[in-house]
Amino acid sequence: DAKTTQPNSMESNEEEPVHLPCNHSTISGTDYIHWYRQLPSQGPEYVIHGLTSNVNNRMASLAIAEDRKSSTLILHRATLRDAAVYYCIRPDGGAQKLVFGQGTRLTINP
Amino acid sequence: EAQVTQNPRYLITVTGKKLTVTCSQNMNHEYMSWYRQDPGLGLRQIYYSMNVEVTDKGDVPEGYKVSRKEKRNFPLILESPSPNQTSLYFCASRRDRAPYEQYFGPGTRLTVT
Repeated sequence: DAKTTQPNSMESNEEEPVHLPCNHSTISGTDYIHWYRQLPSQGPEYVIHGLTSNVNNRMASLAIAEDRKSSTLILHRATLRDAAVYYCIRPDGGAQKLVFGQGTRLTINP
Repeated sequence: EAQVTQNPRYLITVTGKKLTVTCSQNMNHEYMSWYRQDPGLGLRQIYYSMNVEVTDKGDVPEGYKVSRKEKRNFPLILESPSPNQTSLYFCASRRDRAPYEQYFGPGTRLTVT
């Protein structure tokens, strides 16, 4: 079961950090954690991925718990353009497909 | 620019009239996939293809066909569309090696009346 658990919604203010949590308690040792986001009226967009250690890229940071049962996507300074649905995903079936849950709808207040 | 393109972006059609939604990627990706997105149901995979001439069913394949004759193209075919296929459709592609990040097209909004 490749299911992950995320809060349905979160709210933050512009220029503040945002921490989006995800639980993936059944993850195996070789599964990557992926994060995607979907802006209004657009297709999902790849954000970041990680395996064991924390990761940074130009969009965000990913903090992975030592036991790998949870992770946190960090947006260091949220902007209004970061308002989107964020999906935490564990590829299923030998990486053949991404199983999208409902994700977390992030609202950014000006 | 690396991208996945879909056409048309919007389509309104009638029940039973065959249609094709095209998908093309310019990243030389082996893997391509189709998803549909419906309110309250999220994104669900319809079909996927690991490479040319290799396709397989996803979670909701009924009423759809696909083909993969060229690496860059992966059309979605609705032989006899029905109103329950009204949805937002996304094509995606990725390389066939870890970490398997997928790149999505802009979407095709289909309405079947």
